[in-house]
Amino acid sequence: KNQVEQSPQSLIILEGKNCTLQCNYTVSPFSNLRWYKQDTGRGPVSLTIMTFSENTKSNGRYTATLDADTKQSSLHITASQLSDSASYICVVSAGFGNEKLTFGTGTRLTIIP
Amino acid sequence: SQTIHQWPATLVQPVGSPLSLECTVEGTSNPNLYWYRQAAGRGLQLLFYSVGIGQISSEVPQNLSASRPQDRQFILSSKKLLLSDSGFYLCAWREFGLVGETQYFGPGTRLLVL
Repeated sequence: KNQVEQSPQSLIILEGKNCTLQCNYTVSPFSNLRWYKQDTGRGPVSLTIMTFSENTKSNGRYTATLDADTKQSSLHITASQLSDSASYICVVSAGFGNEKLTFGTGTRLTIIP
Repeated sequence: SQTIHQWPATLVQPVGSPLSLECTVEGTSNPNLYWYRQAAGRGLQLLFYSVGIGQISSEVPQNLSASRPQDRQFILSSKKLLLSDSGFYLCAWREFGLVGETQYFGPGTRLLVL
């Protein structure tokens, strides 16, 4: 059964600090992995997308890593800002053209001043 | 650029009442369209997807239905709402790129069934 597990479930950090969110997956065959940011009451917005041949991808202060061997990904946020408060969702695609994506339940990140 | 719209943004409905949520996409043609539900503290659950007009695939049995009357319009419906239908409903479309597909989500509709 394809699964995506994220940790921690929730995280509270001070503004300006760094943090790392984790994603472990058991999806086969693997096509790509995406990290989404979802603000409260809004739709998810794509941050990064990586295929199995990529092991790091950056988008501003967001850096995602992928280890296809251990089936793990992380999202590192540098110099956090209040606007980073959101849920971060890891999504894995099983095979190109496959309609079914496997979603993690997300990590709820709260940045406090 | 492509834009995806959903309405209404928020809806409060009594149990047993009908439902109609609408999703439209601009700036693309023949998109693959998706309806997801997100319950509190849970991941997104795929409800329906459509690869073209009149073509609907259902992922989970439920009292919801979907229709695609036009190329860029996707509608989620119910004849009689249940309490368990409460949740956050997201419409999405899929784009194929060099690194595979990416789904773009609409702003969502918050549904509360009382």
